[in-house]
Amino acid sequence: DGGITQSPKYLFRKEGQNVTLSCEQNLNHDAMYWYRQDPGQGLRLIYYSQIVNDFQKGDIAEGYSVSREKKESFPLTVTSAQKNPTAFYLCASSELRGQVTDEQFFGPGTRLTVL
Amino acid sequence: AQKVTQAQTEISVVEKEDVTLDCVYETRDTTYYLFWYKQPPSGELVFLIRRNSFDEQNEISGRYSWNFQKSTSSFNFTITASQVVDSAVYFCALSEAWGTYKYIFGTGTRLKVLA
Repeated sequence: DGGITQSPKYLFRKEGQNVTLSCEQNLNHDAMYWYRQDPGQGLRLIYYSQIVNDFQKGDIAEGYSVSREKKESFPLTVTSAQKNPTAFYLCASSELRGQVTDEQFFGPGTRLTVL
Repeated sequence: AQKVTQAQTEISVVEKEDVTLDCVYETRDTTYYLFWYKQPPSGELVFLIRRNSFDEQNEISGRYSWNFQKSTSSFNFTITASQVVDSAVYFCALSEAWGTYKYIFGTGTRLKVLA
């Protein structure tokens, strides 16, 4: 089955530690995205990538880093510089088709808690 | 600047009632896309519909229907004869037609359908 997998589902981190969230897709999509969701809020874009080895900052990139070494993988690192990292993190992917904005497909999410 | 407003934070209805979720958007673009997603308790966002700015036809899919009105910048979602399984958070999103393909999400409406 085609889709997006995220691991782990739950993650606990001590303050001051970096942690990496995994996102893999087998949909052959060019674009991948990372969002953060806080209770009662919409999704906010952290980083996105439209092609391998290239990515752009979203609206709340501070304290996060990403890489895109393979088309199917887009890991997100939450660094110790992120002031309030406890949140639900969602990864998504989509096709890129010129002037058409395709729907994004989402993974099941990772819930990160900082202890 | 682009913005999506979902003024209804939470709605509760009794099973079999009809319910409408409101979405109002702001954009300066003449070409754009609008989306609705459902987020069940499991957390993964499920795509429901995509509409481009040139297509104002209303759409019906089973118990779901969408009303797109450019004159009022609204893209409302109606569930007819609601069911308990419809309980979820529903997000409306706006995207420009090309370029970054970034989504702007509303803050979501939590729908509770009571048996």
